[in-house]
Amino acid sequence: GAGVSQSPSNKVTEKGKDVELRCDPISGHTALYWYRQRLGQGLEFLIYFQGNSAPDKSGLPSDRFSAERTGESVSTLTIQRTQQEDSAVYLCASSPEDRRFADTQYFGPGTRLTVL
Amino acid sequence: GQNIDQPTEMTATEGAIVQINCTYQTSGFNGLFWYQQHAGEAPTFLSYNVLDGLEEKGRFSSFLSRSKGYSYLLLKELQMKDSASYLCAVSGSYNTDKLIFGTGTRLQVFP
Repeated sequence: GAGVSQSPSNKVTEKGKDVELRCDPISGHTALYWYRQRLGQGLEFLIYFQGNSAPDKSGLPSDRFSAERTGESVSTLTIQRTQQEDSAVYLCASSPEDRRFADTQYFGPGTRLTVL
Repeated sequence: GQNIDQPTEMTATEGAIVQINCTYQTSGFNGLFWYQQHAGEAPTFLSYNVLDGLEEKGRFSSFLSRSKGYSYLLLKELQMKDSASYLCAVSGSYNTDKLIFGTGTRLQVFP
């Protein structure tokens, strides 16, 4: 079946511009996560959506970062006034609602963001 | 605070056995995960431990000791394709699956 998809796969932007990254979770998965991975580093949690509950935004590094999710489907991560330190791979993951199967998060291929 | 520690790099020989350790200090605990990540690719799930003990899955096994805040991933009969980063992650809350990741251990397998 279809996995998590993300677009674009690569994005090069100039410092100060806004960017929007998109994630399509696996159909039926109600939980969605955004992570950031800098070169050679581990994954850094950014934000978590679960159904209609208020999102957990505790990982967003600054108010330049925001994310939205439409129902239980597509999510967009927006970075305003990008800085060079925002350069990273942004990974999206989804997992099913049923706790019995919530053992894993399925990751998308990521969006590689380069801020010049 | 929350902290996950694992070695940065390890090397091993094809056919050998390697153990990758992970220690954690988190405010809560709802399971420990190991993921494999090949260069330039997304992480893929390997194992999940929530109870103490060893979980075996083919050539890979994962161990957990909650009292010690310690886990290891054991890879047997190493193959060249096992060269990758191995990420240890902890779920710190029952109410969310938010994972706290370590920085990953880059494993290089030599012939």
